[in-house]
Amino acid sequence: DTGVSQDPRHKITKRGQNVTFRCDPISEHNRLYWYRQTLGQGPEFLTYFQNEAQLEKSRLLSDRFSAERPKGSFSTLEIQRTEQGDSAMYLCASSLLVSGETQYFGPGTRLLVL
Amino acid sequence: AQTVTQSQPEMSVQEAETVTLSCTYDTSESDYYLFWYKQPPSRQMILVIRQEAYKQQNATENRFSVNFQKAAKSFSLKISDSQLGDAAMYFCAYRSPDNYGQNFVFGPGTRLSVLP
Repeated sequence: DTGVSQDPRHKITKRGQNVTFRCDPISEHNRLYWYRQTLGQGPEFLTYFQNEAQLEKSRLLSDRFSAERPKGSFSTLEIQRTEQGDSAMYLCASSLLVSGETQYFGPGTRLLVL
Repeated sequence: AQTVTQSQPEMSVQEAETVTLSCTYDTSESDYYLFWYKQPPSRQMILVIRQEAYKQQNATENRFSVNFQKAAKSFSLKISDSQLGDAAMYFCAYRSPDNYGQNFVFGPGTRLSVLP
C-alpha cells in the first residue's frame, strides 16, 4: 500500500456545477478525514468517518457539502452548486483507531470554481 | 474551542544551521496530542514529529526535536543541521483526547526557507 490517494488531483468547474472527489485511504485505516485548505492557511477540518459512520461534521460545513464512506473503505466528498468561495485544496487523511493516532494525508484535490 | 497559533509566518535558515519554529495553543484539557507536519511545495503533508501531553520527555526524530512546555502551552520545533529539503510549510496541530471529538486543529503555518 502506497498511502492515501485522491482523485482527481485538479478540478476546474463553473459556478453552479456539482463536483465529486474521491479518497482512498491506507487499506487498514478505519478513520478517514476531510479537510479544506486555502492558500497560505492550515487545513480546516470538514468531517470525519470511523468505518462507514460519519461521526462529526464541522459547524462551518455548508449543506451543499456531503460526504460518504459507504463500505468503510473509500470516501467521496460532493459539493453541490459550487461557488467561487469553494475554490481550495481538499485534503483527505486516514488513520488507525488507536489513542492519539497519527493522520496520513493524501496529495489533495485542488478545486477552482470559475 | 482549541486554537493553535504560529506567530512566524516566514522563517529562513542557512544550510547546516539550526532553526526553531514557534507554536502556542489554547486548551482547557489536560491530556492531548501535538504534532508538527511538513508540507513541501506542491507535495503532500507528512508527519514530522508528535508529542503526547502526558509525557514530560520531549520528542525527538533525528534532526527534529520539540520543546514542549505544557504550563506555557508552547510546542516549538527545532530543526538541526538544516538541509535544502527542509524547505516547506510547517504546521503545528493539536488533537483532543479521544473522548472529546476527533478533529485536529491546525495552526496557520510557518514557511521555512533554507538558504544555500
